[in-house]
Amino acid sequence: DTGVSQDPRHKITKRGQNVTFRCDPISEHNRLYWYRQTLGQGPEFLTYFQNEAQLEKSRLLSDRFSAERPKGSFSTLEIQRTEQGDSAMYLCASSLSAGAGDQPQHFGDGTRLSIL
Amino acid sequence: SQQGEEDPQALSIQEGENATMNCSYKTSINNLQWYRQNSGRGLVHLILIRSNEREKHSGRLRVTLDTSKKSSSLLITASRAADTASYFCATDEGSGANSKLTFGKGITLSVRP
Repeated sequence: DTGVSQDPRHKITKRGQNVTFRCDPISEHNRLYWYRQTLGQGPEFLTYFQNEAQLEKSRLLSDRFSAERPKGSFSTLEIQRTEQGDSAMYLCASSLSAGAGDQPQHFGDGTRLSIL
Repeated sequence: SQQGEEDPQALSIQEGENATMNCSYKTSINNLQWYRQNSGRGLVHLILIRSNEREKHSGRLRVTLDTSKKSSSLLITASRAADTASYFCATDEGSGANSKLTFGKGITLSVRP
């Protein structure tokens, strides 16, 4: 069973640089979610997709953040002009859609971003 | 913003004892889910309870849901050292199921061998 995979696992970059993360969901899952988690806190929702359509975006997702899921399979999350406060673990999850009834989300191991 | 609040924030028990963790939330929900997270890893789904259910079991796990009090509890029986992790409750509160989850801050469980 192939789970959710995220790449890279760790990213260290200088303030002001752009970074891009990739998420490959479980193949039959049409919903894909992005969350951000800081130390000692629970994950906070950023955005989610149904196939290639972005259905909801959090206010946390400033205009420096953009997420795409161009073919309804993998997704990318880009952060432009990174700031110190962007340092966090970025988690991706996937699930079946609402038509399948209440479903759990399956998480990847995350990308840990450190801004120098 | 975080909807769920877990209690206690940290719990330390001896192997073999039971661990009870509580969660409260604020708005109406489709379902409530519990997840486990080991240090530096992603979240692992443990159990999902729908808003019209009151109790659910899965192996050594027992979850209850009281929608009138907007609270849930997770009981882990006969704990093992491998249960040491952070535990989060999360609520699915969107207009349809399987939308975003809102997590609490988590409970750190330490099981002493």
